[in-house]
Amino acid sequence: GNSVTQMEGPVTLSEEAFLTINCTYTATGYPSLFWYVQYPGEGLQLLLKATKADDKGSNKGFEATYRKETTSFHLEKGSVQVSDSAVYFCALSVNSGGSNYKLTFGKGTLLTVNP
Amino acid sequence: KAGVTQTPRYLIKTRGQQVTLSCSPISGHRSVSWYQQTPGQGLQFLFEYFSETQRNKGNFPGRFSGRQFSNSRSEMNVSTLELGDSALYLCASSRAVGVKEQYFGPGTRLTVT
Repeated sequence: GNSVTQMEGPVTLSEEAFLTINCTYTATGYPSLFWYVQYPGEGLQLLLKATKADDKGSNKGFEATYRKETTSFHLEKGSVQVSDSAVYFCALSVNSGGSNYKLTFGKGTLLTVNP
Repeated sequence: KAGVTQTPRYLIKTRGQQVTLSCSPISGHRSVSWYQQTPGQGLQFLFEYFSETQRNKGNFPGRFSGRQFSNSRSEMNVSTLELGDSALYLCASSRAVGVKEQYFGPGTRLTVT
């Protein structure tokens, strides 16, 4: 089956520090990969995506590269801000037949950024 | 463009009762998916609807059901509530089946006592 493994949290950083959240996956078929972010009390927001190998998704200073050879999609940001404090979810989507796609999520990583 | 809306935002029910949650997708989106989020199990897929038909289903008991209306609005129902059904229920919409990007609503927080 399909699964996503992301690094255990929580992760606590100081403002302007470098962020890496690791994500690896297993999938039957050729998945698309996503990072979603969930701020306290809110639903999930799509942060970035990549649909094929070597694609780099980027948004709001965050980046992740689809690495098929290592089945990974690590999230990075060069300089985090307090406002980046949230839970980050890595997810994959793969055709489960009949053009049906469902998202399979990792457990989430809580990021806290201190001023 | 308005986002995905879910009502109610918070709900408290007693074991054995049933509950109905509502989701209105982004205008023009025709596919609606439902997910359950709990601290223990994380985010789990419940089901997906497109054109009033269930297209995909997760591994949940038959107490969990849903439907979609002709205007793409969707409802999910949980009957005979159990304590373990306490969760955040998230609805997501996408333009169509086969479109991978999904956009989530704020969720309905269900507490079963």
